[in-house]
Amino acid sequence: GENVEQHPSTLSVQEGDSAVIKCTYSDSASNYFPWYKQELGKRPQLIIDIRSNVGEKKDQRIAVTLNKTAKHFSLHITETQPEDSAVYFCASREPNAGNMLTFGGGTRLMVKP
Amino acid sequence: EPEVTQTPSHQVTQMGQEVILRCVPISNHLYFYWYRQILGQKVEFLVSFYNNEISEKSEIFDDQFSVERPDGSNFTLKIRSTKLEDSAMYFCASSLTSGMYNEQFFGPGTRLTVL
Repeated sequence: GENVEQHPSTLSVQEGDSAVIKCTYSDSASNYFPWYKQELGKRPQLIIDIRSNVGEKKDQRIAVTLNKTAKHFSLHITETQPEDSAVYFCASREPNAGNMLTFGGGTRLMVKP
Repeated sequence: EPEVTQTPSHQVTQMGQEVILRCVPISNHLYFYWYRQILGQKVEFLVSFYNNEISEKSEIFDDQFSVERPDGSNFTLKIRSTKLEDSAMYFCASSLTSGMYNEQFFGPGTRLTVL
């Protein structure tokens, strides 16, 4: 089955700096890659996703890039703010696996004011 | 904006007892999921459900687990005889479609504590 690795596990940045979180996946058939933000004690919330037919997607300060050949995708947050502090999870979905999402291990992002 | 809801928010039970976790998916969604998250760890898929049938399940979802859609709105996860290692946050999710372009929306979770 699919295996998703996520790095780094913790990331500390100064407010205003950029943050990059990287994930790799194992199944070349995976075709959908969402990113979830989870604040302490709350539900995972979808912040951005990318399908395998595009290489990059941007939404304001957040962007995601996908390299299908290398089987990795990354989340980029620019001009970070203290409210960006949370745990971020990447995930992938295999098309023939009942829509199940396989999650990475998570990245705890801390934005210092 | 419609949201997935779950009850209870926190359930404490004794080892060996049965628990039922309840979810109300977004009303026009057709696909339903349960995930769990052991404290400090990644979110793990348990089961997906469509058209009153399980469509996929993970190795975690053994004979102690079952799911049901007892009426038009609720979606439940039952654990027959809880073990200490079942302690986790359980998230329900739903999606409108099953295609490549569906999004899964998560509920707030039920924290299950097995003593």
